[in-house]
Formats: sequence, C-alpha cells, structure tokens
Amino acid sequence: GQQVMQIPQYQHVQEGEDFTTYCNSSTTLSNIQWYKQRPGGHPVFLIQLVKSGEVKKQKRLTFQFGEAKKNSSLHITATQTTDVGTYFCARGSARQLTFGSGTQLTVLP
Amino acid sequence: DTGVSQDPRHKITKRGQNVTFRCDPISEHNRLYWYRQTLGQGPEFLTYFQNEAQLEKSRLLSDRFSAERPKGSFSTLEIQRTEQGDSAMYLCASSLVQSLAISYEQYFGPGTRLTVT
Repeated sequence: GQQVMQIPQYQHVQEGEDFTTYCNSSTTLSNIQWYKQRPGGHPVFLIQLVKSGEVKKQKRLTFQFGEAKKNSSLHITATQTTDVGTYFCARGSARQLTFGSGTQLTVLP
Repeated sequence: DTGVSQDPRHKITKRGQNVTFRCDPISEHNRLYWYRQTLGQGPEFLTYFQNEAQLEKSRLLSDRFSAERPKGSFSTLEIQRTEQGDSAMYLCASSLVQSLAISYEQYFGPGTRLTVT
C-alpha cells in the first residue's frame, strides 16, 4: 500500500553520540516530511524534501532524500538531551500525510 | 497564542456515550485535518476540509464519526456510541494551501485524549 516504514523503532544513545533514523517506501514518494513529537506533545514540522537526492541541514540535523525517492533519513550529530522524542517521517500528498510509526529517541546524559 | 487549539484536552466517557471535540485552526489557514494517534504509532489520517468543504474521509472514519467545519473556521469531530477501541489521541492540524497539487507543512494542535471506559 501507501505505507512508509521506519527503522529503528527505538534508539537509546549516550549524549554526544550520533543518531540516524530511516524511512522506506516500496513506491516512489512525491515528497517526504519529517516531524518531531516530544513526550506528551504533538507533532512539530521539521522539514519537507521534494527533489531526488536532496540534502538539507538544520544545525545538527541532516535530512536526505534518496535518489530513487523511495527512502529518506534523518541524522542527528552529537545528540543532546533536548533531542529526546519520537521522529516521524510522513509521505506527503496534496490531500493528506501518511505517517510512519516513528523512531523513539532516548538520550542518556 | 496563535497556534492550533483543541478543546477539551482530555475526555473520559463511558461506552455508548457521544462525544464532541472542537478544533480552532490558525486563523488564516484554509485547510483543516483530523488525525487519530494511538500509543506507539504515528498519526492516522481521518478527514480533511478545504475551507468548509469536507473533501476526503478515511476508511477509518466509520459512520459513527462525523466532522463539520460550518463556516470554514473551527471544526468539530463527533463520535457517536463510543467504543473502547475509540480511545486515542485525536489531533487536529491546519495548513495554508495555495496550490491543490502539492503538499504543505501541517501545524498540529495539542490533541484531545479520549478514554472510553
């Protein structure tokens, strides 16, 4: 179907370590959006990727869109405790978002 | 605060009762979405409005669910004859859509947590 799969489901890292979450689709994505949801909070938009092979950076966060537009990744360099939360990718269309199941990041001080 | 607001934030109800949730989107946004989120899962799309028109409904939206956006501003989501399986976080989101052909970032509200006992 139109689902997007995310791995890993959980990730525990020591503060200062890097973190990567991956998003995969069996079909070509027109675009991919990334959201962060803090514990007890609501999803907050991070970025949208549209072009094949696109790479975007936001401070310590690097987002990539695969050449075939079937996968995407979010990499955090030198994690901090403020990075704690669940990171979701979402397949975007003109009508709705289809979210992956998310990667829950725990950062140990 | 000019973000998306939802009311109530929490609702506990007994099985079989009706409940209604309200969402106030960002004022200039023309599109409003409803999602449902259960523990450990991403939000699941339920329905969306373009101004006051409800343009799409998910198969998840059974006939016990109804949503309205009468004046193209706030929206309500009603669940009739609630079931325990309806227990979830109900999220509202809005966006400003300028082209119907592409997707835009969505701004989510804090959600209404429904518990059906």
